[in-house]
Amino acid sequence: AQSVTQPDIHITVSEGASLELRCNYSYGATPYLFWYVQSPGQGLQLLLKYFSGDTLVQGIKGFEAEFKRSQSSFNLRKPSVHWSDAAEYFCAVGGRTNAGQSTFGDGTTLTVKP
Amino acid sequence: DAGVIQSPRHEVTEMGQEVTLRCKPISGHDYLFWYRQTMMRGLELLIYFNNNVPIDDSGMPEDRFSAKMPNASFSTLKIQPSEPRDSAVYFCASSRGGGDNTQYFGPGTRLTVL
Repeated sequence: AQSVTQPDIHITVSEGASLELRCNYSYGATPYLFWYVQSPGQGLQLLLKYFSGDTLVQGIKGFEAEFKRSQSSFNLRKPSVHWSDAAEYFCAVGGRTNAGQSTFGDGTTLTVKP
Repeated sequence: DAGVIQSPRHEVTEMGQEVTLRCKPISGHDYLFWYRQTMMRGLELLIYFNNNVPIDDSGMPEDRFSAKMPNASFSTLKIQPSEPRDSAVYFCASSRGGGDNTQYFGPGTRLTVL
């Protein structure tokens, strides 16, 4: 069975500081990996995804994530956080099948201090 | 494309009433998902469809919940009778399938059962 663990429920960073959100997954084969962001009152929006190829993936809003197979991780990073990045972030894992389904982590809430 | 469309955006009803939530997926997407999000339980997958056929409804909390997808462009989630503990935000999402698990979420329906 596939699963996703986001160890940090809540993270607070200062505006302009760097950010790393952790994601560990469990999947029996090569996974598809995703990060989504949910702003208050909104649905989830795709930030970036990894299917294959370069393990460092660039996304929207200046985010990037690195797939590390040996660590079963897909951590999300941003070099300089903006106040508008305050939101909840979800990591998800899916399979290389036609199932179309993904398993989501419990989310990490990011607070940005001025 | 307009994205995933959900209606209504907000619903307030009284306990015991029937509630119907609606979703229009992105055209050409083969998979449709219904999620429920609460503070206590986070994001829960209720049911998903592939080519209008329900594939996994193990997340449906009880018989009061039912979902249908009569055609590729429309799905409903019905709660009858509704209870206060059903209060949540309900999201619909769709994905293309065919090896692409990326899910596109609607804006959600905020349901309040009094």
